[in-house]
Amino acid sequence: NAGVTQTPKFQVLKTGQSMTLQCAQDMNHNSMYWYRQDPGMGLRLIYYSASEGTTDKGEVPNGYNVSRLNKREFSLRLESAAPSQTSVYFCASSVWQKDEQYFGPGTRLTVT
Amino acid sequence: AQSVSQHNHHVILSEAASLELGCNYSYGGTVNLFWYVQYPGQHLQLLLKYFSGDPLVKGIKGFEAEFIKSKFSFNLRKPSVQWSDTAEYFCAVNRDSNYQLIWGAGTKLIIKP
Repeated sequence: NAGVTQTPKFQVLKTGQSMTLQCAQDMNHNSMYWYRQDPGMGLRLIYYSASEGTTDKGEVPNGYNVSRLNKREFSLRLESAAPSQTSVYFCASSVWQKDEQYFGPGTRLTVT
Repeated sequence: AQSVSQHNHHVILSEAASLELGCNYSYGGTVNLFWYVQYPGQHLQLLLKYFSGDPLVKGIKGFEAEFIKSKFSFNLRKPSVQWSDTAEYFCAVNRDSNYQLIWGAGTKLIIKP
């Protein structure tokens, strides 16, 4: 099992560019999440999908959109990148929302 | 605002020292509590969790944590640390009424050999 995979690992964008971060899990989990991690702030939830077919906003959703493509895949889109979106992005999944979460390796995004 | 506080952002210890990392949260009601660890260059992974039952929880690699409801605390402990425990440790909390995990800011632990 690969667990949770994320692509790309690194990305540099110019302000105003768009991109999609991809996440996939092979553990048959129902719930998936996108977080951002900034120095000194821990992880903050951007969006989550409690189950296939549903998505909800987390703590910091502004500037992002998500798609739960199927049970395995959950993508995060930045429509118009801003320097404030420079961060490390983690995707995670869990059997259901109350359960432990399994994390991907992260994507380090820099917006100049 | 609802929050999770980790008291120490950086901790430096020598091998064989005892470790206690503090975690406090500000929610009432029923909570689920987690400690995650991120070793250098590795994914975040679960160290231990508390849902209910015995408030003293044992996790991987000799770690344990104690849930003290009256103090809103879930401190992580290890009696004797090793160099390989060098990592960043995160406390996280969710509530039975809303399962979104709220995370502490993390504690970077450095163990000197």
